[in-house]
Amino acid sequence: GAGVSQSPSNKVTEKGKDVELRCDPISGHTALYWYRQSLGQGLEFLIYFQGNSAPDKSGLPSDRFSAERTGGSVSTLTIQRTQQEDSAVYLCASSFAGNTEAFFGQGTRLTVV
Amino acid sequence: RKEVEQDPGPFNVPEGATVAFNCTYSNSASQSFFWYRQDCRKEPKLLMSVYSSGNEDGRFTAQLNRASQYISLLIRDSKLSDSATYLCVVKRQAGTALIFGKGTTLSVSS
Repeated sequence: GAGVSQSPSNKVTEKGKDVELRCDPISGHTALYWYRQSLGQGLEFLIYFQGNSAPDKSGLPSDRFSAERTGGSVSTLTIQRTQQEDSAVYLCASSFAGNTEAFFGQGTRLTVV
Repeated sequence: RKEVEQDPGPFNVPEGATVAFNCTYSNSASQSFFWYRQDCRKEPKLLMSVYSSGNEDGRFTAQLNRASQYISLLIRDSKLSDSATYLCVVKRQAGTALIFGKGTTLSVSS
């Protein structure tokens, strides 16, 4: 597709389970971002990938959160032992390198029950 | 202090009004600046980039004051369709992440 694709669009999981969220960036975009947005709140930066450079993980809230980007394309955000406070919309964005526009996917709405 | 700060609003204005949003950023090394728009339960989308000399796109004008670390967005002749949350976004330098403010909510009424 032409845009950033995220899956699943909705995920309900039980507290304590692990979840994986997927992001397919726009073809050719070397930068990939993960954010989360809780209800009524702003975008919280989680992690940033740029080409082959080491990712900027400074926004990950705990060691339960990790992310990979394989082959410089698809990215997976993994949350282990989910907690209720992890409930949020997880947004992925991609862009060309440099100071260019980032395009967002429609997000994954995660609900931990 | 948060890296990007905005007045959350809400700003409630009638159609045709002029409204201005302000944003401050804490990292003086920041290089790129943007305004994004987010509609309710939708993903953010770029509204406009902000250039050092200021720039205009139709009814929208963006200004940057590097000395004061301050960014503004002016919307003239507000339309109902302008109702949204406006996000101030800063990029520290090339190769780093975009940092978002919490957003300012605008509601335009008829």
